[in-house]
Amino acid sequence: DVVLTQTPVSLSVTLGDQASISCRSSQSLEYSDGYTYLEWYLQKPGQSPQLLIYEVSNRFSGVPDRFIGSGSGTDFTLKISRVEPEDLGVYYCFQATHDPNTFGAGTKLELK
Amino acid sequence: QVQLKESGPGLVQPSETLSLTCTVSGFSLTSYSVSWVRQPSGKGPEWMGRMWYDGDTAYNSALKSRLSISRDTSKNQVFLKMNSLQTDDTGTYYCTRDSAWGQGVMVTVSS
Repeated sequence: DVVLTQTPVSLSVTLGDQASISCRSSQSLEYSDGYTYLEWYLQKPGQSPQLLIYEVSNRFSGVPDRFIGSGSGTDFTLKISRVEPEDLGVYYCFQATHDPNTFGAGTKLELK
Repeated sequence: QVQLKESGPGLVQPSETLSLTCTVSGFSLTSYSVSWVRQPSGKGPEWMGRMWYDGDTAYNSALKSRLSISRDTSKNQVFLKMNSLQTDDTGTYYCTRDSAWGQGVMVTVSS
């Protein structure tokens, strides 16, 4: 099974700072159709995870442009420029390229 | 509007079988796949398995031996059955389609 390793486990930021989260895969996430099915989710307390980014770098509808996904192959990054209060929570990367699909263990973004 | 709603018992006895239903609307199960995801309290989500649009299934390797996912396209429902439940199967169970998630159903395994 594909293992997704997220770092750091937690990230303390000041509002307005940039935050960066890494997600490394144990194997390439490029599918045979040329697409890379790597997604990023944010989960706030008491809520289900909400999709932020799909196919590495595409922002889902309504997601602010301060969320930027990048990467390829086995190495992926989510950057949040100018962190705002509503960005706090736990971020998960998720791969749907290979069955079984898998989630990273999460990165908690909190205020310093 | 794409919607998914999970239903099922909130309490299951240890060693018993969990049966959950995901009722969908706004799309056809023969055009889109539906996944099941669970999340123990305070822990990260775990992908359990998928019902593909063509009726094929895929399962989490660790759960495969006790998990079954099926569907009834005429009723727009996807079913999850998992046997031999233990306390560490306690958590919130979701069905999802792409970006859309159900509200989740809390399942507690306890005697």
